[in-house]
Amino acid sequence: NAGVTQTPKFQVLKTGQSMTLQCAQDMNHNSMYWYRQDPGMGLRLIYYSASEGTTDKGEVPNGYNVSRLNKREFSLRLESAAPSQTSVYFCASSRTGEQGQPQHFGDGTRLSIL
Amino acid sequence: AQKVTQAQTEISVVEKEDVTLDCVYETRDTTYYLFWYKQPPSGELVFLIRRNSFDEQNEISGRYSWNFQKSTSSFNFTITASQVVDSAVYFCALIVLGRQLTFGSGTQLTVLP
Repeated sequence: NAGVTQTPKFQVLKTGQSMTLQCAQDMNHNSMYWYRQDPGMGLRLIYYSASEGTTDKGEVPNGYNVSRLNKREFSLRLESAAPSQTSVYFCASSRTGEQGQPQHFGDGTRLSIL
Repeated sequence: AQKVTQAQTEISVVEKEDVTLDCVYETRDTTYYLFWYKQPPSGELVFLIRRNSFDEQNEISGRYSWNFQKSTSSFNFTITASQVVDSAVYFCALIVLGRQLTFGSGTQLTVLP
């Protein structure tokens, strides 16, 4: 059971470069999420997709874009990376987030922006 | 607005000790869900438990137990007879219907052999 798969696991970028983080889930979940985790701040929601074809901003969307490619895949794009975007990024999925279903997380992507 | 506070940033115990991780939440809604997640040193996030606001029964799962008290807006997590493998960051989280999951800042638990 793969669950939620994120690629890549590690990445180093230079300021101004662009990059897309990939996420795929095989649990037939409707909702998918992107979070960032910074020291001492827990996880903060960047964007989410309640269902295929919809996306919405979370708490910290600036500097990011997302695409819900199909029910399985939800990608996060940094158009022009900045050092402030150095973080660990987690993708998650759930059956239906607004009804209190637990979210299942990928293993994370460690991203460093130099 | 909803908020989750985990006031204990770091806790260190010796193996076999009991330890309680505190979680205090804030919401004006009457319907909500509370969660605990574990993040071991390998980095992944593991779902531990979910509790809805209408179910104040305490729950026990092996060495883990959870105490939900609406009167104090707390959802505390106790590990009995801690083990080195329990060393991790533990996150408490809250979701209110119509909104998204809000995480606390986490508690780093270190269990020393």
